[in-house]
Amino acid sequence: ETGVTQSPTHLIKTRGQQVTLRCSSQSGHNTVSWYQQALGQGPQFIFQYYREEENGRGNFPPRFSGLQFPNYSSELNVNALELDDSALYLCASSSKGNTEAFFGQGTRLTVV
Amino acid sequence: AQTVTQSQPEMSVQEAETVTLSCTYDTSESDYYLFWYKQPPSRQMILVIRQEAYKQQNATENRFSVNFQKAAKSFSLKISDSQLGDAAMYFCAYRANFGNEKLTFGTGTRLTIIP
Repeated sequence: ETGVTQSPTHLIKTRGQQVTLRCSSQSGHNTVSWYQQALGQGPQFIFQYYREEENGRGNFPPRFSGLQFPNYSSELNVNALELDDSALYLCASSSKGNTEAFFGQGTRLTVV
Repeated sequence: AQTVTQSQPEMSVQEAETVTLSCTYDTSESDYYLFWYKQPPSRQMILVIRQEAYKQQNATENRFSVNFQKAAKSFSLKISDSQLGDAAMYFCAYRANFGNEKLTFGTGTRLTIIP
């Protein structure tokens, strides 16, 4: 297992609600990326944080937002949840310029 | 925009045999990395092997090797001596060597190992 941990592992929310997912990056890593993996699909890039600043964003609406903290842990916030937001959310940490990204085990979000 | 295509949704192989998973990609860049990731039922993405585009030599990691054809934009994964623990989803991924270094994934191939 890598040193990247995500919480919670599973979550059920109602449409319209807000959710916060958390990621603790591997020691020494200053970059965190978030991905959404819908059932039967490959992960899709949501955004990346480097040294507490957003450093690139995929094709996701503004209701997907994030934070990175001084200890390089990170949060993914999703407002006004929609049924299509149901997916596995993966966090990956890395050191800038290093080719390998280490993934957490993901948070399975179900929106009902 | 970069795209990654995996045309084999499912593959199966007898234990101890060899299997090849296919991947093609599209990019206008010349400096990039390609990866194969394994995702078992535990959901955690595990790096299997990586290839740097400017290296002509194909990468090898124990039983795993790649066939990298840069001109054809093809990047296949060969698994030799398949083991039961190799059963998983396999994703091909691309990463440019600049900018935010995001990964672009294919849709995956589900590999089943037949005992």
